Amino acid sequence: DSGVTQTPKHLITATGQRVTLRCSPRSGDLSVYWYQQSLDQGLQFLIQYYNGEERAKGNILERFSAQQFPDLHSELNLSSLELGDSALYFCASSVRGGLGDTQYFGPGTRLTVL
Amino acid sequence: GENVEQHPSTLSVQEGDSAVIKCTYSDSASNYFPWYKQELGKRPQLIIDIRSNVGEKKDQRIAVTLNKTAKHFSLHITETQPEDSAVYFCAAGSGGSNYKLTFGKGTLLTVNP
Repeated sequence: DSGVTQTPKHLITATGQRVTLRCSPRSGDLSVYWYQQSLDQGLQFLIQYYNGEERAKGNILERFSAQQFPDLHSELNLSSLELGDSALYFCASSVRGGLGDTQYFGPGTRLTVL
Repeated sequence: GENVEQHPSTLSVQEGDSAVIKCTYSDSASNYFPWYKQELGKRPQLIIDIRSNVGEKKDQRIAVTLNKTAKHFSLHITETQPEDSAVYFCAAGSGGSNYKLTFGKGTLLTVNP
């Protein structure tokens, strides 16, 4: 157990819908990262937050947005969902968010878009 | 942007043999190279990483080598055990305000007892 929690574990929804994925980082970690893992695209970095502020953006679609709250938990919002958004979404956290910081991954949320 | 190629996509070895997985990257600005292990149905876990100012790093049965000139890095696992069976991902990253981490497609390693 990495100490990073994600809810829900599974999510099934329909195209066009909007969902919110939640992540709680390890105690003491200030930085949160979101990743998408699919068979087509592999593991992709989406976005990073540090202490409530966006720090870096990766391959995140405009239909997706995220935020990190004052208590450091983070939410990833996915809207206008398409079949291709079906994937495993991981959240990770690290202490300071620096490049060499060890990232601890959560168990993931499996999203299925029908 | 960065492109990371990883080979082979599958690797099967006998217990006790060595396994080598190779990655190449395209962006010379990348200066951080982690390797992750992901067991079936589990989360990725960092197993070793290397920075661009180091050519080799070892941790027990695992080692990583980096050739910055050729832009390739490799993971070496010696004395493989069945519990080493998993998907291994390499990644190349750079930091600061342009933080990014680009992953290879993964290698499925199977260690046969």
